[in-house]
Amino acid sequence: AQKITQTQPGMFVQEKEAVTLDCTYDTSDQSYGLFWYKQPSSGEMIFLIYQGSYDEQNATEGRYSLNFQKARKSANLVISASQLGDSAMYFCAMREGRGYGNKLVFGAGTILRVKS
Amino acid sequence: NAGVTQTPKFRVLKTGQSMTLLCAQDMNHEYMYWYRQDPGMGLRLIHYSVGEGTTAKGEVPDGYNVSRLKKQNFLLGLESAAPSQTSVYFCASSYPRQLHAGANVLTFGAGSRLTVL
Repeated sequence: AQKITQTQPGMFVQEKEAVTLDCTYDTSDQSYGLFWYKQPSSGEMIFLIYQGSYDEQNATEGRYSLNFQKARKSANLVISASQLGDSAMYFCAMREGRGYGNKLVFGAGTILRVKS
Repeated sequence: NAGVTQTPKFRVLKTGQSMTLLCAQDMNHEYMYWYRQDPGMGLRLIHYSVGEGTTAKGEVPDGYNVSRLKKQNFLLGLESAAPSQTSVYFCASSYPRQLHAGANVLTFGAGSRLTVL
């Protein structure tokens, strides 16, 4: 079963507007972490934001915020005031459990295109 | 500070050839990982290591072997390459997970694009 689901293969947003990228996850663990990474056309993976399952506040990092709804198992990324440089692939990922390793499970990604 | 360095960046192989991808990190990270990225499938974990001399299978380990002889290096080997192994390979590293503390963010290398003909 899919552990991370990103239902939007592609999104368009007008420059300076806000955009929400959806992510739902599936886990039976109580302790887990949710991550968002950005992959520009150059290919590198850039860490954006993290939310722990026990964190009571939604995570924010500059223009990025994570809308964490634990009961719905969703961890949507909100980008405010979009810029042309935000055009990229965005991946949601989850680290679950207290098992060995710190490995992440990734969603299929959402391509975001910012229009001028 | 170089972070995570992968070599080579590009490689073309013929079916049945072997090769090794090298990953080196200079952050003294305990954990290291190899992922592959394919269109529409995100990144999938091939193998990982939680310390020098240890390796473990990930989600898609078949056709690959790994070794972690030194803490800073993690090698990914293809003994007999197949066209299905055409992909972009990413190495990553991190500190061990701390319970309820911090993100233990994975730092990724720039990727290695492998084509198997």
